[in-house]
Amino acid sequence: AQSVSQHNHHVILSEAASLELGCNYSYGGTVNLFWYVQYPGQHLQLLLKYFSGDPLVKGIKGFEAEFIKSKFSFNLRKPSVQWSDTAEYFCAVNGGTNAGKSTFGDGTTLTVKP
Amino acid sequence: GAGVSQTPSNKVTEKGKYVELRCDPISGHTALYWYRQSLGQGPEFLIYFQGTGAADDSGLPNDRFFAVRPEGSVSTLKIQRTERGDSAVYLCASSPSGRATDTQYFGPGTRLTVL
Repeated sequence: AQSVSQHNHHVILSEAASLELGCNYSYGGTVNLFWYVQYPGQHLQLLLKYFSGDPLVKGIKGFEAEFIKSKFSFNLRKPSVQWSDTAEYFCAVNGGTNAGKSTFGDGTTLTVKP
Repeated sequence: GAGVSQTPSNKVTEKGKYVELRCDPISGHTALYWYRQSLGQGPEFLIYFQGTGAADDSGLPNDRFFAVRPEGSVSTLKIQRTERGDSAVYLCASSPSGRATDTQYFGPGTRLTVL
């Protein structure tokens, strides 16, 4: 069975600080990896995804993530956060025959202080 | 264009009652997903439709839960004999084709409270 672990439950940063949110997954085959974000009062929306090719993926709003197969990781990064990045971030994985059946981590709440 | 919509936004019911939750996906999306999100946790997969058929219902917790998508568009999640443990936000998502690489587009969710 696939699983996702997000180690940081709540991260608090000041504006302009750099961000890295951890995501580790457990799955034996080819994986597709996603980061979703939920801003306060809004729906879950996609930040970025990886399914093949360059393991460094760039998404919206200056976010990027790196797929490191040997570490089963897909960490999310942003060099300089803004107050508007305050949100909950979810890592998700699917793969193999489980097309569409995504497994989500428990999320990381990011609070950015102005 | 219009996104995924879900109704009602909030539902309060009593233990033992029957509830129906509705999802209206993005027009043209063939795949539709139901998830359940409890407080402090990520979305938990329930069921996935490709067209009218349930392609994967392995996440439904027990036979009190059932979902339909009779015309390949709107879907209804049905919960019989509700229990307090069913209280959660029920999320619906749709995607263009159901491929594993598709982006899933989420609705606002229905918050179900079972008293």
